Amino acid sequence: NAGVMQNPRHLVRRRGQEARLRCSPMKGHSHVYWYRQLPEEGLKFMVYLQKENIIDESGMPKERFSAEFPKEGPSILRIQQVVRGDSAAYFCASSPSIAGGRETQYFGPGTRLLVL
Amino acid sequence: GDSVTQMEGPVTLSEEAFLTINCTYTATGYPSLFWYVQYPGEGLQLLLKATKADDKGSNKGFEATYRKETTSFHLEKGSVQVSDSAVYFCALSGGNQGAQKLVFGQGTRLTINP
Repeated sequence: NAGVMQNPRHLVRRRGQEARLRCSPMKGHSHVYWYRQLPEEGLKFMVYLQKENIIDESGMPKERFSAEFPKEGPSILRIQQVVRGDSAAYFCASSPSIAGGRETQYFGPGTRLLVL
Repeated sequence: GDSVTQMEGPVTLSEEAFLTINCTYTATGYPSLFWYVQYPGEGLQLLLKATKADDKGSNKGFEATYRKETTSFHLEKGSVQVSDSAVYFCALSGGNQGAQKLVFGQGTRLTINP
């Protein structure tokens, strides 16, 4: 039973380019979460999605960042016109349900984005 | 809003020493509490969790008890091993500020020397 898959594992972009990060949740999981980890810091929530719906995007920067979870295919976190401050590890997590916050979220290995 | 505060690291211990990593939280409602572990270059793995007051989570020799009266969820292990070297994150979800998202502490880096 495959875990949460993320690709690419490492991504290098120059300032002004676009970054696309992909996340395939565990089989049977319909809830996806994205978190960002800046160097030597904890993880910060960005967005929570269900299929075709953004449920909570309170942690997303207002500009340049977007996320989707289409009916078919992986969830995508898109960063337009990247800047050096976007360099971080981006983690995706999934859960089978929400159960009032008691449900465990299972994390992928992360995508490490480096902006030159 | 909801928040988690962890004991600052780094923490360095000798093998077989007793480990405590302190974690306290602020939340409205009745959050669930988690400890996650992150090995170098990897994602987070759930170590243990507790979903209500006085519950004790345990796994791989690690334990933590959900103490509502002190708003704490301290992680303990009686005898650490070199393989326990990692970064440990305390987290909560299900508080009043957006039930589903995890709110993390800043992490505690643990190094165990042989």
